[in-house]
Order: sequence, then C-alpha cells, then structure tokens
Amino acid sequence: GDSVTQMEGPVTLSEEAFLTINCTYTATGYPSLFWYVQYPGEGLQLLLKATKADDKGSNKGFEATYRKETTSFHLEKGSVQVSDSAVYFCALISGGSNYKLTFGKGTLLTVNP
Amino acid sequence: DAGVTQSPTHLIKTRGQQVTLRCSPISGHKSVSWYQQVLGQGPQFIFQYYEKEERGRGNFPDRFSARQFPNYSSELNVNALLLGDSALYLCASSVTGTSGLRDGELFFGEGSRLTVL
Repeated sequence: GDSVTQMEGPVTLSEEAFLTINCTYTATGYPSLFWYVQYPGEGLQLLLKATKADDKGSNKGFEATYRKETTSFHLEKGSVQVSDSAVYFCALISGGSNYKLTFGKGTLLTVNP
Repeated sequence: DAGVTQSPTHLIKTRGQQVTLRCSPISGHKSVSWYQQVLGQGPQFIFQYYEKEERGRGNFPDRFSARQFPNYSSELNVNALLLGDSALYLCASSVTGTSGLRDGELFFGEGSRLTVL
C-alpha cells in the first residue's frame, strides 16, 4: 500500500537558518505529492504541491522537488522565521487510491529568535 | 467566504458512549472526507462521501460510520468508544471526489478534539 516516511522531529533552528525536512514515499502509479502545514491551534493548510516528476512546488519561500528516481519530496527553505514554527506533513494521493491523502507522521519545527 | 466548519470543537466522553461529530463543507463543495489524527501522528483517512454516497473507506472498525446530507454537510458517528479513539477528527471538503484532489484541492477544518476517559 501507499506510505510516506518523513524525518523524525522535533527540529529546532535559529532564525535565518536553512531548513530541510526529508520525505520519501511508496505508492502505486504516479502520485501527486504535497506538503501540508499545521500551525498551533489551526487546521491543516496546503503549503505546496507537485503533480508529476521533476515538478517543483513552491510557496512562502518553501520549495520541494518531485524526484521519481529517489521517490523523494524533501522540503527546503533558505532562511526560516519564527512564524514558520509549526508541524509539517508530507502527503500523497496515488492513482490506486485517488480519493484519499496518505500522510507521514509529521515533523515539528520550532524556530527560535 | 466561510471555510470548513466543524462542531463541537472539544468534547469529553467515557468509554462505551457514542459520539456524533458534524461538518459543514465550503459552499459549492460536494465532497466531504473524514480523517483521524492521533496525537503525534499524521491524519489517517476514515471516509469519503460524494453526492451523499460513500466513495471510500479507510481501515477503521464498523463502530465508525458517517453520512452526508442533501445540503452536503456530514456527520461522523463513533459507537462504543474506546480510549484509543481519543484524537483530533478532521473534516475536509472538495468540489469533486477525486479529480481535484490530485491538484491539492482539499480544504480542512480545524477539527473536533475528542477525549475518551
């Protein structure tokens, strides 16, 4: 079945540091890949997406590239801010189960001033 | 425009009781999905409904059931509550059941936090 494995947290960084959160996946067919973010006290929000191989999703300074050869979708940001503190979830929708998202366990990011 | 709304936001039940959670989708959205998020884990898919019909079901026991009403709102019912049912229950809506999901068109509510004692 489909699965998503993402870097265990928590991750603690200083403001303006570089961020990488690793994500790898197993899926049937050619999945669409997503990063969702959950800020404290808020619902899940779509951060960025990529629907085919070599696509790069980007939003709010975050980027992730769909790598079919390594089945990866790592999240990066060049300079994090305190306001980026949240839980980040990697997720996919596959052709075999196109009615549901499969999520990773989430990575808690804390950015200190 | 109003987003996905869920009620209640918090509730406490005891083992063996039953609970009903409610969800109103974004206006114009015809599909509602339910997810369970246990503390420290990612959301797990429970159900999807589209046009009042169940279109997908996750790996949850029969104690979990749901329905969608003509106005596209939805209820999730859980019977015979167990301690392990304590979680944040998320509702998400989309315009269609599948074709839009691959483009990320799934919008989540803030959830109903259920505590089972």
